[in-house]
Amino acid sequence: DAGITQSPRYKITETGRQVTLMCHQTWSHSYMFWYRQDLGHGLRLIYYSAAADITDKGEVPDGYVVSRSKTENFPLTLESATRSQTSVYFCASSESGGRGPQHFGDGTRLSIL
Amino acid sequence: GNSVTQMEGPVTLSEEAFLTINCTYTATGYPSLFWYVQYPGEGLQLLLKATKADDKGSNKGFEATYRKETTSFHLEKGSVQVSDSAVYFCALTQSGGSYIPTFGRGTSLIVHP
Repeated sequence: DAGITQSPRYKITETGRQVTLMCHQTWSHSYMFWYRQDLGHGLRLIYYSAAADITDKGEVPDGYVVSRSKTENFPLTLESATRSQTSVYFCASSESGGRGPQHFGDGTRLSIL
Repeated sequence: GNSVTQMEGPVTLSEEAFLTINCTYTATGYPSLFWYVQYPGEGLQLLLKATKADDKGSNKGFEATYRKETTSFHLEKGSVQVSDSAVYFCALTQSGGSYIPTFGRGTSLIVHP
């Protein structure tokens, strides 16, 4: 089925560990995005990508790393997890070269102990 | 920069009541406007969109009209159901330049039987 999938759906880890959240889309949309959603802050953009091998920082990039070697995949890595990175993370892609609506995955609920 | 302002929630209604969720925006040019809905435990889903002034987006009984003169895109539904309980996000994508969307903070809707 066409769509955007995130894995894992739930993750518990400890401070200082490295963790990677996966995102895969089947539409070949050029633009992809990573957001975090926290109570009181709404959606905040972490990183985005306009195409394979092109990434750029969003509003809250510190502590995160992304890569995009293939159009369909956009993994997000927390290099050394901190408690403040406990959140729900959403990946999204957008159609029409970025001008169109966004399609979101179901999110990864990440807890850092 | 761009901004989207939504009414704060939660909005609490009885089933079959009329719904309005206000959304105003600040942007240059002619942005595309969107409403998204987020059900508990899920990602955001596109509800409706409008791409130019005076366009009306509609879906599942919800409507919103792109008002350039008042820079607004208010969401309305004539008769809400319990199943409409969710968080609603207004968003825009700037025409031209970087296609990073701007989201409002979200408005929680609670519908009682």
